[in-house]
Amino acid sequence: GQQLNQSPQSMFIQEGEDVSMNCTSSSIFNTWLWYKQDPGEGPVLLIALYKAGELTSNGRLTAQFGITRKDSFLNISASIPSDVGIYFCAGPTQGGSEKLVFGKGTKLTVNP
Amino acid sequence: SAVISQKPSRDICQRGTSLTIQCQVDSQVTMMFWYRQQPGQSLTLIATANQGSEATYESGFVIDKFPISRPNLTFSTLTVSNMSPEDSSIYLCSVEKGTGVFSEQYFGPGTRLTVT
Repeated sequence: GQQLNQSPQSMFIQEGEDVSMNCTSSSIFNTWLWYKQDPGEGPVLLIALYKAGELTSNGRLTAQFGITRKDSFLNISASIPSDVGIYFCAGPTQGGSEKLVFGKGTKLTVNP
Repeated sequence: SAVISQKPSRDICQRGTSLTIQCQVDSQVTMMFWYRQQPGQSLTLIATANQGSEATYESGFVIDKFPISRPNLTFSTLTVSNMSPEDSSIYLCSVEKGTGVFSEQYFGPGTRLTVT
């Protein structure tokens, strides 16, 4: 089945630094979704991307839908301690737009 | 978006017993989904639940182990049957909003299950 390769697996950064993480696949995706999961909580949708080349921002977060439709990246600028959590990319599986496949996540730690 | 609640938020259960998890959403939705997130892992889809029809299970998940109900457009339950320690996970429900390629999924807070 389709797989999403997410990297890096974990990141340790200082408060104020910028962060970049990405997601790649051997398959084409028509939608890319980026989620953040805080400890003990369900994933929260951060950004949804629907078009190849699309660049979308949500506050300090910016995500892009790769032009090949096989990758996406998420940037966080000027990180703050509350950015700590696990970030997941996700996309609909082939043959059914409602079923999502998730990357393995990027665990972000921000040192104050 | 959608506001989703789950009950219980967590539970500790003995092996061999069953637990039913409830998922309530604040608006009518066609598609509801149940996921499992094992410790330190990503999310894996268990099944898709549509109102008025049998749930559709993903490979590796069966109805006898994870029976699902979907009595109306705002509510669903997932039962984890005959539990073993390997079932210790976070169980999450989600709903789909939007249509086609513009659809998005929103998640509940999860139910953290520990089986002893």
